[in-house]
Amino acid sequence: AQSVTQPDIHITVSEGASLELRCNYSYGATPYLFWYVQSPGQGLQLLLKYFSGDTLVQGIKGFEAEFKRSQSSFNLRKPSVHWSDAAEYFCAVSGGTSYGKLTFGQGTILTVHP
Amino acid sequence: EAGVAQSPRYKIIEKRQSVAFWCNPISGHATLYWYQQILGQGPKLLIQFQNNGVVDDSQLPKDRFSAERLKGVDSTLKIQPAKLEDSAVYLCASSLVLAGLYEQYFGPGTRLTVT
Repeated sequence: AQSVTQPDIHITVSEGASLELRCNYSYGATPYLFWYVQSPGQGLQLLLKYFSGDTLVQGIKGFEAEFKRSQSSFNLRKPSVHWSDAAEYFCAVSGGTSYGKLTFGQGTILTVHP
Repeated sequence: EAGVAQSPRYKIIEKRQSVAFWCNPISGHATLYWYQQILGQGPKLLIQFQNNGVVDDSQLPKDRFSAERLKGVDSTLKIQPAKLEDSAVYLCASSLVLAGLYEQYFGPGTRLTVT
């Protein structure tokens, strides 16, 4: 069965600082990997996704993520955080035979200090 | 393009009462998903439809939860009777086709409080 672990429940950074959110997955074959962001009272918005090819993927809002098969990781990064990035971030995995079923991690809450 | 619509946005009921949530997916999207998101957790898939057929309902508590997607468009999720542990946000999502690599678009969710 597929699973996702986000080790950090809550991260606090200063505005302008760099950010890395960790994600580890468990899946037997090559996974499809996603990062979503959820602001309070809002639905989930897709930041970026990895299916194949280049292991460094670019997303919206200046985010990027790197797929590392050897470490079963898909960490999300941003070089300079803005106050508007404060939200909850979810990593998710899907597989080719799971017909679109997304398995989510428990989420990481990001707080940004001015 | 209109997004996924859900109603109501908030609902408070007492335990043992029944409740229903409605979802209207993005026009033309064949696949529809219902997720349950308990506070402090990631969303968990309850049921997945392809047009008006069920693809996966393995995590749906069928003794109290039911869902339908008549005519392959709108969908309704019902809980009867509700329990305290059903307090959660219920998210509806849709995607163009049934495949892992197609983006799922999420609605704003319905926040259910069971007292």
